[in-house]
Amino acid sequence: DTTVKQNPRYKLARVGKPVNLICSQTMNHDTMYWYQKKPNQAPKLLLFYYDKILNREADTFEKFQSSRPNNSFCSLYIGSAGLEYSAMYLCASSRDPPPGAGNTEVFFGKGTRLTVV
Amino acid sequence: GQQVQQSPASLVLQEGENAELQCNFSTSLNSMQWFYQRPGGSLVSLFYNPSGTKHSGRLTSTTVIKERRSSLHISSSQTTDSGTYLCALEPNSGTYQRFGTGTKLQVVP
Repeated sequence: DTTVKQNPRYKLARVGKPVNLICSQTMNHDTMYWYQKKPNQAPKLLLFYYDKILNREADTFEKFQSSRPNNSFCSLYIGSAGLEYSAMYLCASSRDPPPGAGNTEVFFGKGTRLTVV
Repeated sequence: GQQVQQSPASLVLQEGENAELQCNFSTSLNSMQWFYQRPGGSLVSLFYNPSGTKHSGRLTSTTVIKERRSSLHISSSQTTDSGTYLCALEPNSGTYQRFGTGTKLQVVP
């Protein structure tokens, strides 16, 4: 099974409320990523786990949290949603050597469309 | 600056026409991947092609590392090919995959 599963597919949230998105893969991949995709923009990497180590992009450092309790599962947590968080959230995974070593094929889930009202 | 540039930004084809989508990058790369984004937003991997040429049905991907470019050729386009095509590369500078802004393709009957 080479699929990355995301739940839910659609999420409606109120401004100021928390949001928790879930992702899983059974490929025993080392790295799991979260991207944010808005219309007419490139997917933006928010953070990734390499094994148990969380790496967050500098400009999204305080806005998003994540946890990876085991190899297969990774969540994305927004503590207080704002209107600007409305987007498609894409989870992905890859079987990686240490960062930058190359030849990284990435597998994406179908995404969760978050709408904040 | 932008590491991954895609062209054209948008394209309209008559059904049956061919298309050539370009991805140019300003950095040395470890891997190159082409994705198709469905109108609903999910990404489908078309090719993992760090170098050389790969074929899949009506699609062909060619990556020429020394020229820092990759192309996606669509032959005999169909209306169901409509959507956004994204290229993404992993630089060999120790950072993770970076996406281009995509080519929005519309194929009309």
